[in-house]
Amino acid sequence: DARVTQTPRHKVTEMGQEVTMRCQPILGHNTVFWYRQTMMQGLELLAYFRNRAPLDDSGMPKDRFSAEMPDATLATLKIQPSEPRDSAVYFCASGLGEAGGYEQYFGPGTRLTVT
Amino acid sequence: QKEVEQNSGPLSVPEGAIASLNCTYSDRGSQSFFWYRQYSGKSPELIMFIYSNGDKEDGRFTAQLNKASQYVSLLIRDSQPSDSATYLCAVYLVSMEYGNKLVFGAGTILRVKS
Repeated sequence: DARVTQTPRHKVTEMGQEVTMRCQPILGHNTVFWYRQTMMQGLELLAYFRNRAPLDDSGMPKDRFSAEMPDATLATLKIQPSEPRDSAVYFCASGLGEAGGYEQYFGPGTRLTVT
Repeated sequence: QKEVEQNSGPLSVPEGAIASLNCTYSDRGSQSFFWYRQYSGKSPELIMFIYSNGDKEDGRFTAQLNKASQYVSLLIRDSQPSDSATYLCAVYLVSMEYGNKLVFGAGTILRVKS
């Protein structure tokens, strides 16, 4: 049963701390997306990769957020330093080829709380 | 103006009725449209897509697209309590600068009452 996995599932941290979220896309998928979901803003695209190359990170606050794909089986999203306004659910999604741009398979999400 | 707009709801319908979910989009050049369903506390999952004007049916679900009016809708026939979820409309945008990407609406909460 192929699925996207994310760790951790829940994270509570204090303001100013570094947070790293990890995602393992479905094996063979070559597009990976990071989204943030809040009640106020809904689902927002933060960054996405195709064949491990970053294509668009315009939705991401550059001063504190960074996204990388060190290899085809791992994507990371890092926040440093974290702020209370970063509290949200962060989803990773993956897809395959051109269709992967829209037929996305979402992971279970990381619920981040910054106090 | 947001790129994809949906009524947040909640939309309440009795079991067995037709639920009608609506979405408008601003980019006249958009070609592909998608409906994702998200149960409370879960992740979104793709349930329907439509590219051409008109209707597309899949089981109890019908997607309707009117590109002239920049309007897409999802009809759920014989609504069941298990259909209670948030329905996210998504539009596939083509950008020479950033590549193609999905833009999601804020979602409509559907409640089906038994």
